[in-house]
Amino acid sequence: AQTVTQSQPEMSVQEAETVTLSCTYDTSESDYYLFWYKQPPSRQMILVIRQEAYKQQNATENRFSVNFQKAAKSFSLKISDSQLGDAAMYFCAYSTGANSKLTFGKGITLSVRP
Amino acid sequence: DTGVSQDPRHKITKRGQNVTFRCDPISEHNRLYWYRQTLGQGPEFLTYFQNEAQLEKSRLLSDRFSAERPKGSFSTLEIQRTEQGDSAMYLCASRLPWGEKLFFGSGTQLSVL
Repeated sequence: AQTVTQSQPEMSVQEAETVTLSCTYDTSESDYYLFWYKQPPSRQMILVIRQEAYKQQNATENRFSVNFQKAAKSFSLKISDSQLGDAAMYFCAYSTGANSKLTFGKGITLSVRP
Repeated sequence: DTGVSQDPRHKITKRGQNVTFRCDPISEHNRLYWYRQTLGQGPEFLTYFQNEAQLEKSRLLSDRFSAERPKGSFSTLEIQRTEQGDSAMYLCASRLPWGEKLFFGSGTQLSVL
């Protein structure tokens, strides 16, 4: 069974600084997708970034980028130039892609200090 | 594009009562998913539909839970004889047949007293 582990329950970052959120996963599949979702107080899950396992190049979306280490089964999210609106829970997630059923980690609460 | 809509936003019920939640996916999204999220945890998969067919059910979905998507559009999730352990947020998500991106609703928060 696939598992996703987020070992840090909370992190804090100063506004305009950079922060990295960690995630590891376990799978026996060779082809899969990895995601980071943001859940603000409104509760709606918002896709931040996704990575296809077959792609060696790390995905980037504006201030958000990932460090995907397939051999180590590691998938960290870097947020640059942190903004107050980045404060939320962040979930790492995995799917095989065949049916897009997502397996989520426990999440991490990110706070941004003004 | 009105997004994925869930109703109600909040539901408070007494133990033993039945409750039903509704999810309206984005139009043309043929796949619809239900997840459950408890406090301090990530969402857990419950079940999913492709059009009106329920293709997979998690072991989390006990006999007291039933989900339907009768015409391949909206879906309902019913919980019979609710228990305090059913208290959670129930999330619905949908996606296009060829897309990997899931669009989530804002969820229904269930509190069982």
